[in-house]
Amino acid sequence: AQSVAQPEDQVNVAEGNPLTVKCTYSVSGNPYLFWYVQYPNRGLQFLLKYITGDNLVKGSYGFEAEFNKSQTSFHLKKPSALVSDSALYFCAVRDMGGIGGFKTIFGAGTRLFVKA
Amino acid sequence: EAGVTQFPSHSVIEKGQTVTLRCDPISGHDNLYWYRRVMGKEIKFLLHFVKESKQDESGMPNNRFLAERTGGTYSTLKVQPAELEDSGVYFCASSPLTGASEKLFFGSGTQLSVL
Repeated sequence: AQSVAQPEDQVNVAEGNPLTVKCTYSVSGNPYLFWYVQYPNRGLQFLLKYITGDNLVKGSYGFEAEFNKSQTSFHLKKPSALVSDSALYFCAVRDMGGIGGFKTIFGAGTRLFVKA
Repeated sequence: EAGVTQFPSHSVIEKGQTVTLRCDPISGHDNLYWYRRVMGKEIKFLLHFVKESKQDESGMPNNRFLAERTGGTYSTLKVQPAELEDSGVYFCASSPLTGASEKLFFGSGTQLSVL
């Protein structure tokens, strides 16, 4: 079965510093990987995805993620954090093994605090 | 273009009562998903509609939960009778029927509290 692990409940970083939010996955076959962000009182918003190709994918708001097949990881990164990046981040993998459809499996989320 | 809308945003009910959650997906999105997040835990899949058909309901906790999608448009999720463990945030998401690489569009969720 597909699964996603986000080992950190919370990540704290100072504004202007680089940030990393970790994600590892377990899938059978090629992974379709996603990052979503949730701001307070809002629904989840898509940030970026890896389907195939370049291991470094770029997304919204200056975020990027690095796909590492050997380590089964898909860590989210940003070179310089902003206070406005403070939010809840979810890593996800598309389950390709379902009958008749594709469901997305989410991790437990990592709360990012960026301090001014 | 309107996004995914969910109603109500909050619901507080007593154990044993019935609650119905509604989701209006983005117009033209044939895929509709229901998810639930219990405090601090992962967002768990409940079920998946393609148009009006249930494609996968493997995540539905038990037969107290009933989901429908009339005419392939909006969807409802009814919990009857509600139990304490049903508390959480219920999210609805939709996507077009164009493939597995499609991103999901989420509503803001319904916070359900069962007392």
